Amino acid sequence: NAGVTQTPKFRILKIGQSMTLQCTQDMNHNYMYWYRQDPGMGLKLIYYSVGAGITDKGEVPNGYNVSRSTTEDFPLRLELAAPSQTSVYFCASRGLDPIQVYEQYFGPGTRLTVT
Amino acid sequence: AQTVTQSQPEMSVQEAETVTLSCTYDTSESNYYLFWYKQPPSRQMILVIRQEAYKQQNATENRFSVNFQKAAKSFSLKISDSQLGDTAMYFCAFMRFNDMRFGAGTRLTVKP
Repeated sequence: NAGVTQTPKFRILKIGQSMTLQCTQDMNHNYMYWYRQDPGMGLKLIYYSVGAGITDKGEVPNGYNVSRSTTEDFPLRLELAAPSQTSVYFCASRGLDPIQVYEQYFGPGTRLTVT
Repeated sequence: AQTVTQSQPEMSVQEAETVTLSCTYDTSESNYYLFWYKQPPSRQMILVIRQEAYKQQNATENRFSVNFQKAAKSFSLKISDSQLGDTAMYFCAFMRFNDMRFGAGTRLTVKP
């Protein structure tokens, strides 16, 4: 099991550019999440999905879009990058196992810089 | 909206000693989950311990234990026999359904 994988690991964008952060999990988890972590801060929820075709906003969704066409993949789209989106982005997933139902498994993160 | 507060931005402890990290949260809900996550310099988020709000018994995981005071909305983490590998950022988190809220973190340094 690779767990949760994210690509790319690092990226530098110019203001106004677009990009997609990829997230894939191989644990057949229903729930997937995107967080951002600003310097010196905790993680904040951007979007989440409870299954293929179902997504919902988190605490800080503005400037981002998501889609969930398969169980495995949950890409995060930035349409018009702004300096305020400079952050480290984490993807996470969790399953429905009765014992560990609320444990989220995190990917290694993507460090994004917008200049 | 739920909020999580960690009032200690930085702490240090001598190797083999015990340290307690503080966390308070604000919610009007009665059913929720609380977590402590460790984030070493590698940036990986590692679950340390979990507490279900409906359980009165404090959770323990080897050298890690919590003091959960539901009425006071307090959830502190105690690390016993501190090891150099415990050096990391520690985040307290509150979760209800799919809404997870994190505190700003405490940077813990274990000194030899």
